[in-house]
Amino acid sequence: AQKITQTQPGMFVQEKEAVTLDCTYDTSDPSYGLFWYKQPSSGEMIFLIYQGSYDQQNATEGRYSLNFQKARKSANLVISASQLGDSAMYFCAMRGPLFSGGYNKLIFGAGTRLAVHP
Amino acid sequence: DTEVTQTPKHLVMGMTNKKSLKCEQHMGHRAMYWYKQKAKKPPELMFVYSYEKLSINESVPSRFSPECPNSSLLNLHLHALQPEDSALYLCASSPSGQGQGTGELFFGEGSRLTVL
Repeated sequence: AQKITQTQPGMFVQEKEAVTLDCTYDTSDPSYGLFWYKQPSSGEMIFLIYQGSYDQQNATEGRYSLNFQKARKSANLVISASQLGDSAMYFCAMRGPLFSGGYNKLIFGAGTRLAVHP
Repeated sequence: DTEVTQTPKHLVMGMTNKKSLKCEQHMGHRAMYWYKQKAKKPPELMFVYSYEKLSINESVPSRFSPECPNSSLLNLHLHALQPEDSALYLCASSPSGQGQGTGELFFGEGSRLTVL
């Protein structure tokens, strides 16, 4: 069975500083994908970054980078130069191999609420 | 702006009412999803449609009835709900078919349901 763990219920960071949100996972599938989503108070889940299990390089998307340590089964999100608009709930999520129809079952961790202070 | 549109954004219903949540996407995605999210909890998968066919039902009670009339639309019909069904209902879509990218889900803003 797949499992995603986020152990930080809440995090605080000063504006313009970097912050790391932790995520560990467990799966027996050799093929899987890891995602980070941001959920502001409006409710929408906003995709931030993706890491595939076979990807050799850590994923980066603008101010977001994913610190992927496969042997440790961790996929931490690093946000550089935090902005006030980064205040939101952040979810780590995992999918297993895609089903033959190309869809997937995405399971989410418990989430980390990030507050950025001026 | 999100490319997955959900209506209504807010819904209040009694336990004897029948209502529907609607979801629409025009990205050509052939997989569509319903998730339920209780306050301060992560989203939980309810249903997955692939090519307009129900592919996954996560043992959801029959008072929730999904429908996929065409490749762009996804409905969730609600009947005889309980107060504990109050939650944010999120619709999502993803490209389908093998080799279709990462499996990333594109989410709508959700429909916030209150059952009295």
